[in-house]
Amino acid sequence: KNQVEQSPQSLIILEGKNCTLQCNYTVSPFSNLRWYKQDTGRGPVSLTIMTFSENTKSNGRYTATLDADTKQSSLHITASQLSDSASYICVVSAGGTDSWGKLQFGAGTQVVVTP
Amino acid sequence: DTEVTQTPKHLVMGMTNKKSLKCEQHMGHRAMYWYKQKAKKPPELMFVYSYEKLSINESVPSRFSPECPNSSLLNLHLHALQPEDSALYLCASSQDQGRRYEQYFGPGTRLTVT
Repeated sequence: KNQVEQSPQSLIILEGKNCTLQCNYTVSPFSNLRWYKQDTGRGPVSLTIMTFSENTKSNGRYTATLDADTKQSSLHITASQLSDSASYICVVSAGGTDSWGKLQFGAGTQVVVTP
Repeated sequence: DTEVTQTPKHLVMGMTNKKSLKCEQHMGHRAMYWYKQKAKKPPELMFVYSYEKLSINESVPSRFSPECPNSSLLNLHLHALQPEDSALYLCASSQDQGRRYEQYFGPGTRLTVT
């Protein structure tokens, strides 16, 4: 079973609107959580990285939140643009002495922004 | 400069061919990674190099052979591949191996095995 689950699988939004993507994880112990943006056929690009002590982090129109108690994160996109069309991947790195920090990837949320 | 470059962008090869993928970074990073990504799936880790030595091999078939000639270069040698090996191959690098370090991904090589 995947230790990082994302929802929804896909969504379509109108240009200029906001949207929120969800990520639930069971990775334990936890070290950090990252959100990546991946355009089709390209490599992932980091948006944010948060440790368990950080509740929110912004990168331009992208704002990520983290609740380490409930093991949930969200990525909010404000005033969406056509260039936001991409797959958004939630990635969790395990903590603890037994883990070197291998990244656990979610399946991604495919976002399509329409004019 | 936070760029990881990969060549070629696209590669088509037959099952009896030998080819190589190349990855390069000039950020002074000491850890480099190969990932395989099938369509609409998340990347899967294949290999990790740390300080030019193979650190992690995720039980990858021997038809994939990684090589790290120096701290800036990472190669993936391909031989006798199968059609199911067709995928996007991503290279990444980080300052060091470990959970604290950001991984920077290259644009990938789209491999098609015929």
